[in-house]
Amino acid sequence: GNSVTQMEGPVTLSEEAFLTINCTYTATGYPSLFWYVQYPGEGLQLLLKATKADDKGSNKGFEATYRKETTSFHLEKGSVQVSDSAVYFCALTILTGGGNKLTFGTGTQLKVEL
Amino acid sequence: DTEVTQTPKHLVMGMTNKKSLKCEQHMGHRAMYWYKQKAKKPPELMFVYSYEKLSINESVPSRFSPECPNSSLLNLHLHALQPEDSALYLCASSQDGTGGYVGNTIYFGEGSWLTVV
Repeated sequence: GNSVTQMEGPVTLSEEAFLTINCTYTATGYPSLFWYVQYPGEGLQLLLKATKADDKGSNKGFEATYRKETTSFHLEKGSVQVSDSAVYFCALTILTGGGNKLTFGTGTQLKVEL
Repeated sequence: DTEVTQTPKHLVMGMTNKKSLKCEQHMGHRAMYWYKQKAKKPPELMFVYSYEKLSINESVPSRFSPECPNSSLLNLHLHALQPEDSALYLCASSQDGTGGYVGNTIYFGEGSWLTVV
């Protein structure tokens, strides 16, 4: 089956620290990979995505590279801000007979403190 | 403009009530989705509509009834719910449904917070 494994949270960092959130996946076929972010009390927003091996997705200072050889899509940011505090979900899509299906990881809560 | 609009934002209903959640998108997307999210958990897929036809039902209880009146609208009709159905209900859409491109982004709305009392 298809699955996504994320590091457990919460992750607590000081402002301007470096962030890594690990994500690995198992999939049949060739998935596309996504990071979504959910701020408190809100829906999910797409943060970045990559659709083929070695692609790098980037947005708002966050980056992740699609590594087929290690089946990974780790999220990184060089200098986090308090406003980055949120829950981050790694996800993959596969194409089924009924449409795209998103498989999510369990989510990683990030808390950034001054 | 990548916007999926959901109403109402908050809904409290009794176990004997009938209510509906509504979702609208004007991005020309042909696939629309309902997800359910419990606190501190990832969203779980409930239904997928592809070109206005129900294409995926993830074995959701019949007290949840989806409807897609046209390509821009998606409803979720609620009847005889249980307290454990209290959750955030997220609508989403993407450009293609069946036979589409696996790299298409699925865009989410802000969600409807449902409390069943």
